[in-house]
Amino acid sequence: GAGVSQTPSNKVTEKGKYVELRCDPISGHTALYWYRQSLGQGPEFLIYFQGTGAADDSGLPNDRFFAVRPEGSVSTLKIQRTERGDSAVYLCASSQGGLEGEYEQYFGPGTRLTVT
Amino acid sequence: SQKIEQNSEALNIQEGKTATLTCNYTNYSPAYLQWYRQDPGRGPVFLLLIRENEKEKRKERLKVTFDTTLKQSLFHITASQPADSATYLCAVETGGFKTIFGAGTRLFVKA
Repeated sequence: GAGVSQTPSNKVTEKGKYVELRCDPISGHTALYWYRQSLGQGPEFLIYFQGTGAADDSGLPNDRFFAVRPEGSVSTLKIQRTERGDSAVYLCASSQGGLEGEYEQYFGPGTRLTVT
Repeated sequence: SQKIEQNSEALNIQEGKTATLTCNYTNYSPAYLQWYRQDPGRGPVFLLLIRENEKEKRKERLKVTFDTTLKQSLFHITASQPADSATYLCAVETGGFKTIFGAGTRLFVKA
């Protein structure tokens, strides 16, 4: 389909390891968002991109978290030296982001990260 | 501090009744506000967006109101059905395309 896809769907890693989570947005969407969601909570904003640049990364919890979107399409969220507290579902969303203010976000299914 | 509050307790209603969910925010002046639906194990799905100059918006059985003075949005589902059972999330604009989500309210519609 033409929706947002995320890979992997599940990731189990050991404390201290490095992980990469990938997001493929809807084609043509210029805005891309990363959130993380813990059980019983709403999505917590991490970062959003307009094109290739990070327009707002104020939600990244610390410098172990980094995200890139080098060609303005696919994005990768990178987490170094993972900690058990990083365990959550990581959600990616995209929106058209145009001048007409197309703000509706289309979410992927998420990547469930478990740090053991 | 900046906060978005939604009914933390689950809402249980009978099929056919109107469900009303509340979203209150503090210390924001959003240009728009959105409502999403989330089913277990899935990402949120966009339902409605209402802008600051709109008092009310409707889509089929859904209605959203936006009171910028009270800093509150109400989300209504009329003639509710068991298939409407889900978690409903409010998302407040905090600058351009950035939005902050509330914790959501779980709705259960009983047949």
